[in-house]
Amino acid sequence: DAGVTQSPTHLIKTRGQQVTLRCSPKSGHDTVSWYQQALGQGPQFIFQYYEEEERQRGNFPDRFSGHQFPNYSSELNVNALLLGDSALYLCASSPLQGSSYNEQFFGPGTRLTVL
Amino acid sequence: DAKTTQPTSMDCAEGRAANLPCNHSTISGNEYVYWYRQIHSQGPQYIIHGLKNNETNEMASLIITEDRKSSTLILPHATLRDTAVYYCIVRALLLPGGTSYGKLTFGQGTILTVHP
Repeated sequence: DAGVTQSPTHLIKTRGQQVTLRCSPKSGHDTVSWYQQALGQGPQFIFQYYEEEERQRGNFPDRFSGHQFPNYSSELNVNALLLGDSALYLCASSPLQGSSYNEQFFGPGTRLTVL
Repeated sequence: DAKTTQPTSMDCAEGRAANLPCNHSTISGNEYVYWYRQIHSQGPQYIIHGLKNNETNEMASLIITEDRKSSTLILPHATLRDTAVYYCIVRALLLPGGTSYGKLTFGQGTILTVHP
């Protein structure tokens, strides 16, 4: 059973460009969350998707947007990249929203470098 | 979600128990204590969670004080592979009309180094 997968592993972009990161959740999971982890910091919650809709959002600007597909996979889009967007982007999936004790299963992350 | 306080770093000898403390003095009645760890260059990994009773699984034990204002994660026989950043997170599972349990609020965590 494959866990959470993310692509690409690494990415280098320049300021002002746009980037799309992809995530496939663990089998049986229908909720996907995205986190940003700057170097030396803990992960920061960006947003969560369930039933193809954004359900909860952290303190991130509108430059950060996402999408969830019918197969539960998800994309994170960042527009007008800034140097400060350089970070490890983590995707996490979890079981049905109705579950009381859901754990979040994290992928290995995508390392984004903005030059 | 309530705020947590953890020591910045801790050391432990291989084979000995590692006891990682966490303070969460503002925890609410509907908030659980979760522990995750992050090994270098990997995504965080769930370890254990609890409400008020002590919990044990194959990875660790979680001891929560009676007043629920602090907890301790115990790795009974630490190995070199347990070297990681350990995060203590307090999170409500349900909010009326919301799905707040989707969000994990990570702090700085504790860097645990296990020595040979």
